[in-house]
Amino acid sequence: EAGVAQSPRYKIIEKRQSVAFWCNPISGHATLYWYQQILGQGPKLLIQFQNNGVVDDSQLPKDRFSAERLKGVDSTLKIQPAKLEDSAVYLCASSPRTDTQYFGPGTRLTVL
Amino acid sequence: AQSVTQPDIHITVSEGASLELRCNYSYGATPYLFWYVQSPGQGLQLLLKYFSGDTLVQGIKGFEAEFKRSQSSFNLRKPSVHWSDAAEYFCAVGANNNDMRFGAGTRLTVKP
Repeated sequence: EAGVAQSPRYKIIEKRQSVAFWCNPISGHATLYWYQQILGQGPKLLIQFQNNGVVDDSQLPKDRFSAERLKGVDSTLKIQPAKLEDSAVYLCASSPRTDTQYFGPGTRLTVL
Repeated sequence: AQSVTQPDIHITVSEGASLELRCNYSYGATPYLFWYVQSPGQGLQLLLKYFSGDTLVQGIKGFEAEFKRSQSSFNLRKPSVHWSDAAEYFCAVGANNNDMRFGAGTRLTVKP
């Protein structure tokens, strides 16, 4: 069974630029999560989808971050415009309903 | 609100020695507790989880954890550490798979 796929693996941008990350969850997993992991910290949940609906986006900085999950499968996370403090690893995870979360390898974002 | 504290930022043990990683949580109800491991450049892999029942939980790679409600703790243990166990370990608490909160992590170094 294929795992959670994320791309790109690495991205370097300048502040005020835009960036997008893509996640393909494990087939059949209804729930999808995006986390932000700043160096030296644990992952912080940004947004949780159940199929194509948002369950929790309380910690998503909505003035610059947006996410969508069209058709309840793939998801994209966008930052526009990026700030220096957005430098982090962005992790995508999926789970079958309320079971264990399976994480992708992450996208490491560096904002200069 | 729930929170997780991992008191040890970095632990060094000799190969073959026993290991205990500490985790304390704050949660208003019966928590769902998890331990994840993250190798450099990788996503998080679930080691074990506690939902209910037996307070001593067995996981993969020879790890176990014990839930102690009176101490609000969920410490991770392994009787004999292998060099391949060197990684970052994260404790997490949540309401099943919703609203997961991660600790800041403990980095494990294994000496030969």
